[in-house]
Amino acid sequence: QLQLQESGPGLVKPSETLSLTCTVSGGSISSSSYYWGWIRQPPGKGLEWIGSIYYSGSTYYNPSLKSRVTISVDTSKNQFSLKLSSVTAADTAVYYCARQTGYGVLSYMDVWGKGTTVTVSS
Amino acid sequence: EIVLTQSPGTLSLSPGERATLSCRASQSVSSSYLAWYQQKPGQAPRLLIYGASSRATGIPDRFSGSGSGTDFTLTISRLEPEDFAVYYCQQYGSSPTFGGGTKVEIK
Repeated sequence: QLQLQESGPGLVKPSETLSLTCTVSGGSISSSSYYWGWIRQPPGKGLEWIGSIYYSGSTYYNPSLKSRVTISVDTSKNQFSLKLSSVTAADTAVYYCARQTGYGVLSYMDVWGKGTTVTVSS
Repeated sequence: EIVLTQSPGTLSLSPGERATLSCRASQSVSSSYLAWYQQKPGQAPRLLIYGASSRATGIPDRFSGSGSGTDFTLTISRLEPEDFAVYYCQQYGSSPTFGGGTKVEIK
């Protein structure tokens, strides 16, 4: 059974870079059928897609976050990672990683990690 | 960006009743690339419906999706106690966006 697990610091200072990793178990991140994405949810609010990556390294980003986001993949570790630079309090959220089925941005999220809370505060 | 508007914001119903949730898009969603998710407090979202009307693996048949173009509907035929949650629609016909959610609460 495929499982995804987010990890990383729960507290990040303003203007610094948020870094999270998603470890995939029970399946290969190198599967040609899937993309791997990040989604976030501010406290008490809705969901926002951040971006996604294919095992080959092709990336797709939310246009509103594109200038600050980098998603990378490490197939040898079955992991993919998120970096979000120049964070502010508005980036405080639960961050989820997810498997996306489809093609590129034309995909839905069918397996989710449990999420990790990241707070931006000094 | 395609903006999704969900209505109503909150739906107060009793177990056994029928729930009808609406998701309206600011422009046509290509190929009916519309998904629905259920989220319970403290949990990650769970995929219910993709392609506007296809149920995800393991989803009970009391959940059904319909619609095309700009208007989509999620119907729960008879509410079970475990169905009270927040529901989100998501379009993936272009850069993915989510609706603001509909909370289904116990009346």
